[in-house]
Amino acid sequence: DSGVTQTPKHLITATGQRVTLRCSPRSGDLSVYWYQQSLDQGLQFLIQYYNGEERAKGNILERFSAQQFPDLHSELNLSSLELGDSALYFCASSPRAGFNEQFFGPGTRLTVL
Amino acid sequence: LAKTTQPISMDSYEGQEVNITCSHNNIATNDYITWYQQFPSQGPRFIIQGYKTKVTNEVASLFIPADRKSSTLSLPRVSLSDTAVYYCLVGDTGRGGSSNTGKLIFGQGTTLQVKP
Repeated sequence: DSGVTQTPKHLITATGQRVTLRCSPRSGDLSVYWYQQSLDQGLQFLIQYYNGEERAKGNILERFSAQQFPDLHSELNLSSLELGDSALYFCASSPRAGFNEQFFGPGTRLTVL
Repeated sequence: LAKTTQPISMDSYEGQEVNITCSHNNIATNDYITWYQQFPSQGPRFIIQGYKTKVTNEVASLFIPADRKSSTLSLPRVSLSDTAVYYCLVGDTGRGGSSNTGKLIFGQGTTLQVKP
């Protein structure tokens, strides 16, 4: 158990819909990262927040957005969903922004039908 | 972040030592080498990190030659439960307060299959 929690564990929805994925980092960790893992693209970095502020952006689509709240939990919002958005979405946390030892959550499996 | 190259797959047997080599010819002075392990449908798990020579912890050793253009992850006496994908990553850890974000760029990894 990494100490990072993600909800929900599974999510099944239809194309065009919007969903929100939630992540609670390890106690004391200020940095939260979101990653997407699909069969054809592998593990890809999406976005990072540090202490409530966006710190880095990766291959995140404009239809996707995220935020980190004052209690440090984070949400990833995915809208206008397409079949290709079906993937495992992982959240990770670390104590500081530039820390390469990250602790990953169990992931949310999103299926878009 | 420096590009890494590692074998796509490896097979081993229980009880053997497994060495997975990663090539990173363009590694920068400030870059550290980090290895992660991932089981199917689980998030990656940090294994070990090093800068030069040898690092050892309770699960693995990391060997880094003087030129740092490659590194070898060594797993002693593997068991069936070590069957997983192993990722080699290279980048600035930011431990010294640099501006690095810490975002991880994963390659395709090495799928290790341990057989009985």
